[in-house]
Amino acid sequence: AQSVSQHNHHVILSEAASLELGCNYSYGGTVNLFWYVQYPGQHLQLLLKYFSGDPLVKGIKGFEAEFIKSKFSFNLRKPSVQWSDTAEYFCAVNSNTGNQFYFGTGTSLTVIP
Amino acid sequence: DAGVTQSPTHLIKTRGQQVTLRCSPKSGHDTVSWYQQALGQGPQFIFQYYEEEERQRGNFPDRFSGHQFPNYSSELNVNALLLGDSALYLCASSFGLAGSTDTQYFGPGTRLTVL
Repeated sequence: AQSVSQHNHHVILSEAASLELGCNYSYGGTVNLFWYVQYPGQHLQLLLKYFSGDPLVKGIKGFEAEFIKSKFSFNLRKPSVQWSDTAEYFCAVNSNTGNQFYFGTGTSLTVIP
Repeated sequence: DAGVTQSPTHLIKTRGQQVTLRCSPKSGHDTVSWYQQALGQGPQFIFQYYEEEERQRGNFPDRFSGHQFPNYSSELNVNALLLGDSALYLCASSFGLAGSTDTQYFGPGTRLTVL
């Protein structure tokens, strides 16, 4: 079975600091990769996704993620965070042949003004 | 354009009871997936429905069952509730069974508390 690991459980940053959240997955085949965000009191929303092509993908609100196949990683980055980025971030994976999504345990990001 | 809707928002049940949760997919979507999100955890896949059939199932016991209606809406039923079933239950919709590259849109969830 596939699994997803998010190593940072809680991250606290000051505004304008740079962000990198780690995500590693275990699966030997071709995968599709996603980052979802859950703002306080809101439902899960797609931040960005990778299916194929350029391993550096850009999402909404200035976020980007890089797929490194050799490291089974899909880390999320943002050069300069804002207070409004305070949220829970989930990395998710599904295989190219299946529809079941596997989610990580999430990273809680708090941005201090 | 309505997104994914779920009802009820909150539910309190006692052990041994049965519960039914409901989901209406986003307009234009025909596939519904259900997830369980325990406190402090990521969503765990329960099962997926397409064309009124269960197409894929996660590692959940038979106490968890579902149904999809011709209008694509779906129900999640849980029998013989246990304390450990307390969680946020999420519904996600997408288009097409071969939707491994399709984005899943999530609803706000139903918070189930089992006492």
